[in-house]
Amino acid sequence: DAGVIQSPRHEVTEMGQEVTLRCKPISGHDYLFWYRQTMMRGLELLIYFNNNVPIDDSGMPEDRFSAKMPNASFSTLKIQPSEPRDSAVYFCASTAIGLGTEAFFGQGTRLTVV
Amino acid sequence: SQELEQSPQSLIVQEGKNLTINCTSSKTLYGLYWYKQKYGEGLIFLMMLQKGGEEKSHEKITAKLDEKKQQSSLHITASQPSHAGIYLCGAPTENYGGSQGNLIFGKGTKLSVKP
Repeated sequence: DAGVIQSPRHEVTEMGQEVTLRCKPISGHDYLFWYRQTMMRGLELLIYFNNNVPIDDSGMPEDRFSAKMPNASFSTLKIQPSEPRDSAVYFCASTAIGLGTEAFFGQGTRLTVV
Repeated sequence: SQELEQSPQSLIVQEGKNLTINCTSSKTLYGLYWYKQKYGEGLIFLMMLQKGGEEKSHEKITAKLDEKKQQSSLHITASQPSHAGIYLCGAPTENYGGSQGNLIFGKGTKLSVKP
């Protein structure tokens, strides 16, 4: 398996535009996490899915953020409209059920909103 | 909500020196993960601790879990420039009888190793 795959790796967009980040988890993993990382706040959990169902989205900062997981092999994180304060690195991670299993992280998407 | 606090926030050591990074949880720990991150890249899994008193080693890195203190420590012996990076601890927030559930992280410890 190629690991968790995120796209794009870098995204620069203008304030007010819609941004969609994509994630392909490792095949067979039933948990998927979206994180945001900034210098000030570190790594923050935004939302996570179990078997494609959103379990906890309390970390999603505002209604401008939405996430979907239409099937076991794909998830999206959408920001609409984007704002400069959304600039950060967004990570996707997946894992299999059961303690003793690490979470595998994608390489991240560096988002810059100007 | 549960929080993980790491100390120190940053650390500069001379090559060859030993160092320790701590991770303290505000609530009961159901496991503890250590990851390493190079700036701008994803997180690389180092090791996972599940039981109080457990200690694991990988090459020159040793991690311990003290469940009573709700704390874990990561110790690097004879540090090398390749050890430089950001070290993050992570923990599941609830014990779903085996499922991982929510996974939170500390803010990280930035390690620099001077040659």
